[in-house]
Amino acid sequence: KAGVTQTPRYLIKTRGQQVTLSCSPISGHRSVSWYQQTPGQGLQFLFEYFSETQRNKGNFPGRFSGRQFSNSRSEMNVSTLELGDSALYLCASSSLPSGGTDTQYFGPGTRLTVL
Amino acid sequence: GQQLNQSPQSMFIQEGEDVSMNCTSSSIFNTWLWYKQDPGEGPVLLIALYKAGELTSNGRLTAQFGITRKDSFLNISASIPSDVGIYFCAGPSRERPPDNTDKLIFGTGTRLQVFP
Repeated sequence: KAGVTQTPRYLIKTRGQQVTLSCSPISGHRSVSWYQQTPGQGLQFLFEYFSETQRNKGNFPGRFSGRQFSNSRSEMNVSTLELGDSALYLCASSSLPSGGTDTQYFGPGTRLTVL
Repeated sequence: GQQLNQSPQSMFIQEGEDVSMNCTSSSIFNTWLWYKQDPGEGPVLLIALYKAGELTSNGRLTAQFGITRKDSFLNISASIPSDVGIYFCAGPSRERPPDNTDKLIFGTGTRLQVFP
């Protein structure tokens, strides 16, 4: 079974631009969660989608948004980029919504650098 | 909100040594997960624990679900250079209120360095 894939792996943008990151979950998984990882803040939950509906949202500004498609693939969008948005963005998939006992499997991440 | 505290923050050990790290919370968890993250990669699931008192092994790794359900431990025996990385504990959090979310929350991580 193929793992979670994320594209692109690396991205460089400038302040004020917007960016879209993509995540394809493990086949059959309907839950996709997004995390931001920075050296200072660690792994922080952004949001979770299950069956095309946003189920949970973390404490991030409205510039961070996402969506999930009927094939469970998910995209995350960040508008009006700020320097502090530089981070590793991780996507994780599971067959059940998080909060249950099912485990999450992570993709390799997209490294976003904002200049 | 719920938080997971890991200790130690970092460890520098010699190849062949055993390693112990733990994860504690002020609230109860029903599941404990241990992940390892290599530089520039996403975390990889090592061990999942579902029952208080449970002891589970995966090769040289052994993890335990604390009987109070507020802690978990991970041990690595006979460490090797490829054990280098950051180890995270995680558990599903259910916060009521204010935002009625349940999500996976992660510990602060233990960075492991192994010297030959």
